Amino acid sequence: GNSVTQMEGPVTLSEEAFLTINCTYTATGYPSLFWYVQYPGEGLQLLLKATKADDKGSNKGFEATYRKETTSFHLEKGSVQVSDSAVYFCALRKIGGFKTIFGAGTRLFVKA
Amino acid sequence: DTEVTQTPKHLVMGMTNKKSLKCEQHMGHRAMYWYKQKAKKPPELMFVYSYEKLSINESVPSRFSPECPNSSLLNLHLHALQPEDSALYLCASSQGTGATSYEQYFGPGTRLTVT
Repeated sequence: GNSVTQMEGPVTLSEEAFLTINCTYTATGYPSLFWYVQYPGEGLQLLLKATKADDKGSNKGFEATYRKETTSFHLEKGSVQVSDSAVYFCALRKIGGFKTIFGAGTRLFVKA
Repeated sequence: DTEVTQTPKHLVMGMTNKKSLKCEQHMGHRAMYWYKQKAKKPPELMFVYSYEKLSINESVPSRFSPECPNSSLLNLHLHALQPEDSALYLCASSQGTGATSYEQYFGPGTRLTVT
């Protein structure tokens, strides 16, 4: 079946530290991959996406590369800020699929 | 305009009440979704509408009744809920459902408490 596995949190970092949140997936075919972010008390916002192998999605300093050979889509940011504190969800969507498959989410705390 | 709006923001209801959640988008999207999200969990899909027709019902209890009056509006009618139905209810929309690249745009959610 289709699934997304994310590293367990919470992840606690100091401001300006490097961030990596690991995400691996299982899917047949060629899904599109997404990172969504949820700030406290809010809905989900699309952070970035990649639709085919070797694509790199980027937004607001965050990056993730679609690696088909390792079935991974790890999220990275070179220097986190306190305002990046949120829950991050990795997700996939398959061709013809009505469903988005979400990972469990990783909570990030950034300390000043 | 890439906004999905939801009303109300908060709702407290008793187990015998009837209430409705509303969702609206003006992006011309043809697919709309209802999700339920419990604390510290990912969203769980409840319903999908595609071109105003119900395409997916994820075995949701009949006390939840969705309605799509037109392509911009999505309602969720609630009746005889249980305390365990307390959650954040999220609406989302996407351009369609046929392509994998169609990302979903989420509303801010309605925080529902059933007493």
